Amino acid sequence: EIVLTQSPATLSLSPGERATLSCRASQSVGSYFAWYQQKPGQAPRLLIYDASNRATGIPARFSGSRSGTDFTLTISSLEPEDFAVYYCQQRNTFGQGTKLEIK
Amino acid sequence: QVQLQESGPGLVKPSQTLSLNCTVSGGSISRTGYYWNWIRQHPGKGLEWIGYIYHSGTTYYNPSLKSRLTISLDTSKNQFSLSLSSVTAADTAVYYCARGENYLWGSYVDQWGQGTLVTVSS
Repeated sequence: EIVLTQSPATLSLSPGERATLSCRASQSVGSYFAWYQQKPGQAPRLLIYDASNRATGIPARFSGSRSGTDFTLTISSLEPEDFAVYYCQQRNTFGQGTKLEIK
Repeated sequence: QVQLQESGPGLVKPSQTLSLNCTVSGGSISRTGYYWNWIRQHPGKGLEWIGYIYHSGTTYYNPSLKSRLTISLDTSKNQFSLSLSSVTAADTAVYYCARGENYLWGSYVDQWGQGTLVTVSS
């Protein structure tokens, strides 16, 4: 079974800064890969699918990329509403999450 | 836009069966290209896939839960259901029902219910 390892566990940044979140898959998964955002008390929301495509309604400041088994979610300029927990997903597996907090 | 709503008891006694329903509105659960998921989140923890069911009735169950788990569809009510037997405190979690959709390279969960907290306690 695939193991997804997210890093860092916590990322402390300020609004306006660029955020880079990583997720490494334990084996090749092609572009079958997604990112989700979860805010406190809310259900997760699909951000990125097929490694690099934004889901409906997701702002352009969110982007996803892939290099082999390494996947990256980039938020180009953080807005206050972006501070949340981010999960990666491949098939039936989620990563453990990265908490993006305000510095 | 499709909406999903979980319903069921918020408190279950140890060794009993946890049963939840998910009512889908705004779209048919019989439509091809979608699958219907149960995902849970232990307090303060990450997401765990419980399982899912296709419109055809084909299911996937998390191997760690498979022996206790049943997911079913009721197309007449546009609902799908979760049954988890022999629960313990370790099954205390927020349970989400969610819709998955097939995209070009993979399948992803694109619509979620609000989640319901189920506590296992005597």
